[in-house]
Amino acid sequence: EPEVTQTPSHQVTQMGQEVILRCVPISNHLYFYWYRQILGQKVEFLVSFYNNEISEKSEIFDDQFSVERPDGSNFTLKIRSTKLEDSAMYFCARRGAGGDSPLHFGNGTRLTVT
Amino acid sequence: QKEVEQDPGPLSVPEGAIVSLNCTYSNSAFQYFMWYRQYSRKGPELLMYTYSSGNKEDGRFTAQVDKSSKYISLFIRDSQPSDSATYLCAMSSILTGGGNKLTFGTGTQLKVEL
Repeated sequence: EPEVTQTPSHQVTQMGQEVILRCVPISNHLYFYWYRQILGQKVEFLVSFYNNEISEKSEIFDDQFSVERPDGSNFTLKIRSTKLEDSAMYFCARRGAGGDSPLHFGNGTRLTVT
Repeated sequence: QKEVEQDPGPLSVPEGAIVSLNCTYSNSAFQYFMWYRQYSRKGPELLMYTYSSGNKEDGRFTAQVDKSSKYISLFIRDSQPSDSATYLCAMSSILTGGGNKLTFGTGTQLKVEL
């Protein structure tokens, strides 16, 4: 079982609509990440989040994207105005214990923009 | 030149065979190396993690890193049909503290046949 739970597992939305993808870590962690995987392509880094702040983001993570942890538990990725090219699997990840620890991923949310 | 190169396959082997999966990379800053297994429509599952040149063994899996050649390998002994999946190599640089921003290969699709 993955160590983070993502909801929904599949989201269908129309172009221009806002979507919120959610990640619920099973235990209390401080480091969170969002990655995406367009069908048939590499897993790509979007953003890292530590102590309620963005610590690093990629060029993909433009103004239409935002992240927050509104209730101290759920970690969300918001896409404000979806485009067709936002269709992808979105994975939340958390960092393992220890200074240099690898990432553990959730099962992802499949976003389909029509 | 791509930062991380991985043969996409597909690679088909008979049950019980030894499987060799490889990645090359161009960024000498990469210091942390991971192998993930990904089943269809699931998130990447961490298999192996290493940060030094040499071999690391865990059960039927052996990860090998050669930093001088910028080449990493994953060996699977006594392969089983349940090993059929896509195998992703991933790496990060010491500058990002390890385990943060990962750069992935495209993944190699493996099929182990009865």
